[in-house]
Amino acid sequence: SQELEQSPQSLIVQEGKNLTINCTSSKTLYGLYWYKQKYGEGLIFLMMLQKGGEEKSHEKITAKLDEKKQQSSLHITASQPSHAGIYLCGADTGGSNYKLTFGKGTLLTVNP
Amino acid sequence: GAVVSQHPSRVICKSGTSVKIECRSLDFQATTMFWYRQFPKQSLMLMATSNEGSKATYEQGVEKDKFLINHASLTLSTLTVTSAHPEDSSFYICSAEGMYTEAFFGQGTRLTVV
Repeated sequence: SQELEQSPQSLIVQEGKNLTINCTSSKTLYGLYWYKQKYGEGLIFLMMLQKGGEEKSHEKITAKLDEKKQQSSLHITASQPSHAGIYLCGADTGGSNYKLTFGKGTLLTVNP
Repeated sequence: GAVVSQHPSRVICKSGTSVKIECRSLDFQATTMFWYRQFPKQSLMLMATSNEGSKATYEQGVEKDKFLINHASLTLSTLTVTSAHPEDSSFYICSAEGMYTEAFFGQGTRLTVV
């Protein structure tokens, strides 16, 4: 089965600092999704990547998928307290039965 | 973006009773809905996938007679936890996907069984 490793598990940064969260798959990623979650709440869709080498940005968040389509990174520039939360990567397992498998998440704390 | 409404957001029930959780797609037709369970500080674990008008597909280890899923329309899926026990206490999240959309998630339901 597809397994997603996220690193780091938790991260504490000072406001204004840049940070990167990684998501590595044991298999080729047919679709890689990044979500943000406040614990105990639903998930907020951030971005989806499908093509090797693809990069997308939204405001201060940039996500990339490597050429081999087995690793993705999420980069936040000039972090703010509003960026705090749990970041989850999810992957489409491929095949005829579409379903998402999730990593364990990265807990981000941004200190003002 | 698309909106998925999950209700209730919190529920406390007595052991042995059943609880129904609703998941509605408000502005698109959800051809597929997914139900997840999340334990504290852990990731989401997929419980089952349901397609409108057909029986749900359950993941290995998930009891289909305990977690009843109904996807009667393109905008509504329900998860019923039957004969709930304290170990069923958890955070349950649904997601809905349309034909040309990615999955959007509900706000989740925190179930506490006492």
